[in-house]
Amino acid sequence: QVQLVQSGAEVKKPGASVKVSCRASRYTFTGYYMHWVRQAPGQGLEWMGWINPNSGGTNYAQRFQGRVTMTRDTSISTAYMELSRLRSDDTAVYYCARGEQLWVAKGWFDPWGQGTLVTVSS
Amino acid sequence: QSVLTQPPSASGTPGQRVTISCSGSSSNIGSNYVYWYQQLPGTAPKLLIYRNDQRPSGVPDRFSGSKSGTSASLAISGLRSEDEADYYCAAWDDSLSGWVFGGGTRLTVL
Repeated sequence: QVQLVQSGAEVKKPGASVKVSCRASRYTFTGYYMHWVRQAPGQGLEWMGWINPNSGGTNYAQRFQGRVTMTRDTSISTAYMELSRLRSDDTAVYYCARGEQLWVAKGWFDPWGQGTLVTVSS
Repeated sequence: QSVLTQPPSASGTPGQRVTISCSGSSSNIGSNYVYWYQQLPGTAPKLLIYRNDQRPSGVPDRFSGSKSGTSASLAISGLRSEDEADYYCAAWDDSLSGWVFGGGTRLTVL
């Protein structure tokens, strides 16, 4: 079945950047949106944005504009999320989640990757 | 402060029916589909209900969703211990041009 495998946990200092990867398999990578959602410890889900893997086009949540960059490498079916100028409140589990096919702009998130814990601490 | 409002907790005994509410506004629930996600302890979220009331294959028919105006509900009938999880509603928000989630409801099976 469709699988999303994310990179391992990261520990970063405040002000640094982190880049999380999400490798997709068992479907046509360029045919579906890829979303990024984060979850701070003990908190709820927060949508960060999506990338269209076919065109590379992106749509970022307003609160992350200027700090987040989503990219992809279609040759290895992998999406990336880079967050810069990290703060302690960026400590969270970051998930990638496949969206629906590209003609469905506001569709579901399914499936989700296993999550990547990013810890920001001095 | 989440854009969509859910009760922080809900509970029920095995076999009971419980409902979880999700309240929004005209820019999100009022004009777009609602989705529900289940997050079991220590795992990634999983799609439970899509487009207000549709169940993905593999999701038991004990789970059902509904929407009316700017509110939505998730109902779980025949409650089972394995239903103990966090439940999140989500919708696209036209004003924010982004997805918004509820704060989540922790369901406890007593």
